[in-house]
Amino acid sequence: DQQVKQNSPSLSVQEGRISILNCDYTNSMFDYFLWYKKYPAEGPTFLISISSIKDKNEDGRFTVFLNKSAKHLSLHIVPSQPGDSAVYFCAASVKAGNNRKLIWGLGTSLAVNP
Amino acid sequence: NAGVMQNPRHLVRRRGQEARLRCSPMKGHSHVYWYRQLPEEGLKFMVYLQKENIIDESGMPKERFSAEFPKEGPSILRIQQVVRGDSAAYFCASSPGSHYGYTFGSGTRLTVV
Repeated sequence: DQQVKQNSPSLSVQEGRISILNCDYTNSMFDYFLWYKKYPAEGPTFLISISSIKDKNEDGRFTVFLNKSAKHLSLHIVPSQPGDSAVYFCAASVKAGNNRKLIWGLGTSLAVNP
Repeated sequence: NAGVMQNPRHLVRRRGQEARLRCSPMKGHSHVYWYRQLPEEGLKFMVYLQKENIIDESGMPKERFSAEFPKEGPSILRIQQVVRGDSAAYFCASSPGSHYGYTFGSGTRLTVV
């Protein structure tokens, strides 16, 4: 039961172009979404997030878009750089009792070619 | 302010031995999460702990695996009688509260031979 889906296991983009990574979710109770980036042999690092009350959040080259009606979010990286080559995980946060739970997608491996 | 510290970075165990993975959360963080990443798979939640309490262990295998986060000292993930299928990267993360995201350590890569 994959509540957070990243349907593209991999993506290849030319340097300087836009990278678009997609994420779909099924649980309408998710109210906060996060993107993490992971390099090989390292732990994931937080990249950008968005609350469900917003439809866009921008931070430098990174923008996350949220379409609640479609239960879809996307991460745009523009312009893409070779150093952006990594695995990108989408995660969704939901209240669980007195705590919160993060549900993770399986990741999309992005390769930015020089 | 050091980040989340995990040790060892690499651990090799023979089948049947015990593996102990340590995680020191960021200063001021009292919530610890353990994740496992099997080869070619995504991150899988294992257990969520606060000081001296297990809050959610729904992702932890029922046998051979245990976790603790004592009042003093690091959080420990313990795997008894390891098998080849336990070979994976184990990541620890911490947060100051049960909130919206957390900080990960660099992971421990367990290899069972």
